[in-house]
Amino acid sequence: GQNIDQPTEMTATEGAIVQINCTYQTSGFNGLFWYQQHAGEAPTFLSYNVLDGLEEKGRFSSFLSRSKGYSYLLLKELQMKDSASYLCAVRNSNYQLIWGAGTKLIIKP
Amino acid sequence: IAGITQAPTSQILAAGRRMTLRCTQDMRHNAMYWYRQDLGLGLRLIHYSNTAGTTGKGEVPDGYSVSRANTDDFPLTLASAVPSQTSVYFCASSRGEDTGELFFGEGSRLTVL
Repeated sequence: GQNIDQPTEMTATEGAIVQINCTYQTSGFNGLFWYQQHAGEAPTFLSYNVLDGLEEKGRFSSFLSRSKGYSYLLLKELQMKDSASYLCAVRNSNYQLIWGAGTKLIIKP
Repeated sequence: IAGITQAPTSQILAAGRRMTLRCTQDMRHNAMYWYRQDLGLGLRLIHYSNTAGTTGKGEVPDGYSVSRANTDDFPLTLASAVPSQTSVYFCASSRGEDTGELFFGEGSRLTVL
């Protein structure tokens, strides 16, 4: 079967750095997405990786290792507004998006 | 403002009733999707459409139907609602089935009693 694994919940302190991991097993690979979803709102796009390595976008970075079936989202200089769920999704060989259940990130002052 | 509009935002429905969730996008995206989101589960694809006039079944299509008469609209119909269809429904679109990220509507919270 196909599955995406990510931690259910993480807690971090304002101003700190947090890394949210995502491992995947899918039938083929055509890219990995990270989305942010605040409670009661729609998911919004954060990043996309299709090649191995690190993609940096401001305070957020996303890393991909295709050989390990592994990605992480790195959030720096955490702010209270970063409290949200972070969803990992992989596009498989049929161009279907397989979604993880999401990681709820709690930021404490 | 460009984007995706869903309606209704929230609805309580008696079991056995018919319900249509509306979705309209003005970005001229070819591909559109309907997902349901339940606590503890990832987004699950119900139906999709890669282009106007075509639709396909996703992971959990039973009890749902869709149509794509034009590029902009992609309604989701529950022919006879059941309590297990209580969920938050998201409509999304992308430029193509294999290109670009998904843009999501604000969601429709449906409760079936």
